[in-house]
Amino acid sequence: NAGVMQNPRHLVRRRGQEARLRCSPMKGHSHVYWYRQLPEEGLKFMVYLQKENIIDESGMPKERFSAEFPKEGPSILRIQQVVRGDSAAYFCASSPSRWDSYGYTFGSGTRLTVV
Amino acid sequence: DAKTTQPPSMDCAEGRAANLPCNHSTISGNEYVYWYRQIHSQGPQYIIHGLKNNETNEMASLIITEDRKSSTLILPHATLRDTAVYYCIVRDIIQGAQKLVFGQGTRLTINP
Repeated sequence: NAGVMQNPRHLVRRRGQEARLRCSPMKGHSHVYWYRQLPEEGLKFMVYLQKENIIDESGMPKERFSAEFPKEGPSILRIQQVVRGDSAAYFCASSPSRWDSYGYTFGSGTRLTVV
Repeated sequence: DAKTTQPPSMDCAEGRAANLPCNHSTISGNEYVYWYRQIHSQGPQYIIHGLKNNETNEMASLIITEDRKSSTLILPHATLRDTAVYYCIVRDIIQGAQKLVFGQGTRLTINP
């Protein structure tokens, strides 16, 4: 019974490249949430997706960042033209429904380093 | 913005009970209190949640005051592996799509 799977665990990109972060939710979970944690800071909400729909993207930067959760396959967080300030840990979480009282199950994160 | 206030750090001796306070004076009737922890930059881990009654599970106990304006997470016999940042979060699950909003949390250090 696998938990939330994120890959890669570590990703190094040069400035200007694209970063793609993948998140496979727990079996039976159709709601996915992405959070970002800058070094020595707390977790900041980025985006909430249901299959094929973006429900809440209030925490997403206006440029270069996008997210999708297709009907088949993992959720993808895409960062175009990365800059040093994008270096952070990106966590994905999933839940079976938006009303699940047990909250979310988090993955182990992807650590992005921009050099 | 987070709707909770927690002390930035606490220490506890190994084997003793760790009591982590949280103030949520503006909590509304439909909002639950959740506790998560993050061990050394791993993904946050769910601990416990409650609405108004005290709750206990295999990890911890949650004591919520009668007016619901504050709560305490209790780790009954703290071990070194409980060293982590503990987050207290209030969340409305009735309105739907209420995301978890993390504050700064309490950095709990368990000392041998």
